[in-house]
Amino acid sequence: DAGITQSPRHKVTETGTPVTLRCHQTENHRYMYWYRQDPGHGLRLIHYSYGVKDTDKGEVSDGYSVSRSKTEDFLLTLESATSSQTSVYFCAISAGNEQFFGPGTRLTVL
Amino acid sequence: KQEVTQIPAALSVPEGENLVLNCSFTDSAIYNLQWFRQDPGKGLTSLLLIQSSQREQTSGRLNASLDKSSGRSTLYIAASQPGDSATYLCADHTGNQFYFGTGTSLTVIP
Repeated sequence: DAGITQSPRHKVTETGTPVTLRCHQTENHRYMYWYRQDPGHGLRLIHYSYGVKDTDKGEVSDGYSVSRSKTEDFLLTLESATSSQTSVYFCAISAGNEQFFGPGTRLTVL
Repeated sequence: KQEVTQIPAALSVPEGENLVLNCSFTDSAIYNLQWFRQDPGKGLTSLLLIQSSQREQTSGRLNASLDKSSGRSTLYIAASQPGDSATYLCADHTGNQFYFGTGTSLTVIP
C-alpha cells in the first residue's frame, strides 16, 4: 500500500458539467499519473506529473486538464464532461520505477 | 509508440495446474516490466517488477521472466488455486510513461 487515496470513489454527472477528481498520496513521491480504464482498451495514460507544477500529456489527454500545486495532490479536471468520458479513473505513483495504484473512481456521464 | 499485447485474453484452467501468461512489447528500450493483478471492481496490485538488466523475478508461486531482445515477458503461476482467479496485466516502463496490455482474465476452476 503506497498510501494513495482517490475521491470521490463514485460519481454520476451530466453532460457539459465540470468534474474534478482528486488523488492524494502520503509518501512524497515525485511522479504521479492519471489513467482511464475501458473495456477493450486496457489502461491508457491521460496525464502525468513529475513534480509540483510540472505536468505532461499522455496518450488520451484531450478533454482533460490536471494540476499539481502540492506534492501530495494531483487533480484531474474534465472541463465539460461528455458521455465518452464515462470510465474508471485510476491514479498511480511511481516509486523506484515501480507503479502503485489507487482504488479508482467510477465516473458516469449521463 | 510502444505497443503491449497479452495473449490469451482469457484462460480457464483446473485447480492445481501450472500456467503461463504471455506479454509482448514492440520497443525493446524499456527500463523495466511490471506484472499486476486486478480483481473485479478493484484497483491494480503489483505482483512483480523486472528491471531491464534482469532476466527473471520470483515471488512465492509466481515467476516472471523478461527477454528484451525478443520483446517478451512471461508470468508463470505454479499450482494454481481458485484464489488466483483475476485479470493479470503487464506494463512496460519506457521513457516517462508506462504502457499496459489489455490483460489476461484467468479463471481457476476448483
